[in-house]
Amino acid sequence: NAGVTQTPKFQVLKTGQSMTLQCAQDMNHEYMSWYRQDPGMGLRLIHYSVGAGITDQGEVPNGYNVSRSTTEDFPLRLLSAAPSQTSVYFCASSSHVAPFEQYFGPGTRLTVT
Amino acid sequence: AQSVSQHNHHVILSEAASLELGCNYSYGGTVNLFWYVQYPGQHLQLLLKYFSGDPLVKGIKGFEAEFIKSKFSFNLRKPSVQWSDTAEYFCAVTPYTGRRALTFGSGTRLQVQP
Repeated sequence: NAGVTQTPKFQVLKTGQSMTLQCAQDMNHEYMSWYRQDPGMGLRLIHYSVGAGITDQGEVPNGYNVSRSTTEDFPLRLLSAAPSQTSVYFCASSSHVAPFEQYFGPGTRLTVT
Repeated sequence: AQSVSQHNHHVILSEAASLELGCNYSYGGTVNLFWYVQYPGQHLQLLLKYFSGDPLVKGIKGFEAEFIKSKFSFNLRKPSVQWSDTAEYFCAVTPYTGRRALTFGSGTRLQVQP
């Protein structure tokens, strides 16, 4: 049981490049979320999903896309990377039984130059 | 929209000192409250949670938190800290109904000196 996994751990992009951050969970959780963590700002919700095929925007969705084709996977796509997207990205999941008790992945540290 | 304030950004304590980290939230309705901890190089982990009932909740590693509804506060306490408590602590809130996602405070970095 690996919990929540994220790849890659580190990534450097040039402005304008696109990429996908991967997130997978093996706990059969219905709810999955993406957060970004910036110094002095805590974690801010980017997008979330309450089940396969259902996604919604969080506080800071601009510049990011998500899809949820399976229960296990919830990839985050950066369409055209900008320096303002330099951050640490965390994926989290939770079950419908305890929807607010979120399990977090190890994070992806992204730098956009 | 709800928000969470953590006024202590960086706290330095000696081992065996008592700890209290402040957390205030703004939301008019019923809320669920959480404290998460991030040890250096590790994932965020749930420390404790409050849903309803006894406003004094106990979590892992000797931590506790008290929900004071009239003050919109959910302060974290520990009677005697250890060097291993060095970490960043995040308070989080979510409304009782609605979106299944958390609103986090900005975090408090705790440094415990041996």
